[in-house]
Amino acid sequence: DADVTQTPRNRITKTGKRIMLECSQTKGHDRMYWYRQDPGLGLQLIYYSFDVKDINKGEISDGYSVSRQAQAKFSLSLESAIPNQTALYFCATSDLPGQGNNEQFFGPGTRLTVL
Amino acid sequence: AQSVTQLGSHVSVSEGALVLLRCNYSSSVPPYLFWYVQYPNQGLQLLLKYTTGATLVKGINGFEAEFKKSETSFHLTKPSAHMSDAAEYFCAVRAYNNNDMRFGAGTRLTVKP
Repeated sequence: DADVTQTPRNRITKTGKRIMLECSQTKGHDRMYWYRQDPGLGLQLIYYSFDVKDINKGEISDGYSVSRQAQAKFSLSLESAIPNQTALYFCATSDLPGQGNNEQFFGPGTRLTVL
Repeated sequence: AQSVTQLGSHVSVSEGALVLLRCNYSSSVPPYLFWYVQYPNQGLQLLLKYTTGATLVKGINGFEAEFKKSETSFHLTKPSAHMSDAAEYFCAVRAYNNNDMRFGAGTRLTVKP
C-alpha cells in the first residue's frame, strides 16, 4: 500500500465551487506539505504543517486554506475555485531534519481542472 | 533562502548516450541536495541525495550526481540512457537545519531510439 495517498486523483469543477483535496499518510511523519505543479515552474509550496497545531503559509497561499485533522491527515481547500488554479497538486511528508531523514515523500498527485 | 536553477527545460539524448542534467544551487548555509524523478501520471520519486560525506552520490537506476561546492553545482549523470529513463527530473535544495525545500523548474528528458 502507498505511504502517501491523495484523493481524488482527478477532479473537474467549475469556477466558484468549493473543492477539498485530501491527503493521508502512514509514514508516521509529523511534517506535511501541499505543493502545486505548473509546467515550467516546478513545484511551489502552498502550505505546510509541522504538527497538528502548526500551520504555515508557503510561497503561494492566496486562494487556498488547509486543515490538519490529525497527524496523518492534511487537507487543502479552494474556497472559490478559479481557472488559474488548474494544476497538479501534490502532498508530501517528511520526518524531522536530521541525518538520514532529509527527503520528502510524495503522494501520486491530484489533477485539478477548473472550468 | 535557498534556490535552484536547472539549465535546460528539455534534454534529448539517443538510447545508449550519456545523460547530463544540470543543476546549480544557491544557499547561505550548507545545503542538502536532491534529485527527484517524475514519470508520467505519477508523483515524485527520490533518485538520490547529498547530505554530508562523499561528494559523489549514487542513486537508483544507474544515476549519480556530484556535489561541487566551488561550482555550486549538483549535476545528474547516467553513462548510458535507456528508453525507460524518459521522465521529468527535478533538482531540489534545502538547508541542513530545516525542511524548507526549494525545487527547480524541472528538466524533461526524452530518449530517442
